[in-house]
Amino acid sequence: DTAVSQTPKYLVTQMGNDKSIKCEQNLGHDTMYWYKQDSKKFLKIMFSYNNKELIINETVPNRFSPKSPDKAHLNLHINSLELGDSAVYFCASSLGQRGTGELFFGEGSRLTVL
Amino acid sequence: GDSVTQMEGPVTLSEEAFLTINCTYTATGYPSLFWYVQYPGEGLQLLLKATKADDKGSNKGFEATYRKETTSFHLEKGSVQVSDSAVYFCALSPQASGSARQLTFGSGTQLTVLP
Repeated sequence: DTAVSQTPKYLVTQMGNDKSIKCEQNLGHDTMYWYKQDSKKFLKIMFSYNNKELIINETVPNRFSPKSPDKAHLNLHINSLELGDSAVYFCASSLGQRGTGELFFGEGSRLTVL
Repeated sequence: GDSVTQMEGPVTLSEEAFLTINCTYTATGYPSLFWYVQYPGEGLQLLLKATKADDKGSNKGFEATYRKETTSFHLEKGSVQVSDSAVYFCALSPQASGSARQLTFGSGTQLTVLP
């Protein structure tokens, strides 16, 4: 059983298109995150939701819009894709305030914008 | 704000060599500290953690000790294997507060172990 699963694993698309990445966790966690990893492996947090409520919203273009239909799901929609959006996007989850801060990561979704 | 400074890579070692990857941090209070490992083509996995000063985290032969006096959490392994080749990330989570406890990651250190 995959604890944190993301789909799709790979996306290749043209500049200007819109795409979505979905994430689901079956760990019973109440907090979910999106991280972006660039080509140099640097990880940067983008968003975090706790019980469907947005709690972290870093400086990210408003072309990126997260959505959490329930606490087990966190999706990421990207409008008007740009070359610089090419990266690996990781979903993660945690117990939030009740835990030690440990994150559980999905396998990543590699986005390539041509 | 919180920050993590990690030894720059890449690091290349021969099998059975001793490994140290340095990590220092800046944070207020008593953060929790983590080492994550990312194998090629995979997501990050927790390798070990320590939640208070002088705690030693250990897993798969790797160890790291939470040193508050030097604000460090260096990763060590006595004898590396080819299968340890991966990117290693040091991270901290702030002391519990009213806000979300997001992880702050270091820049990652690529380790390659040669047979």
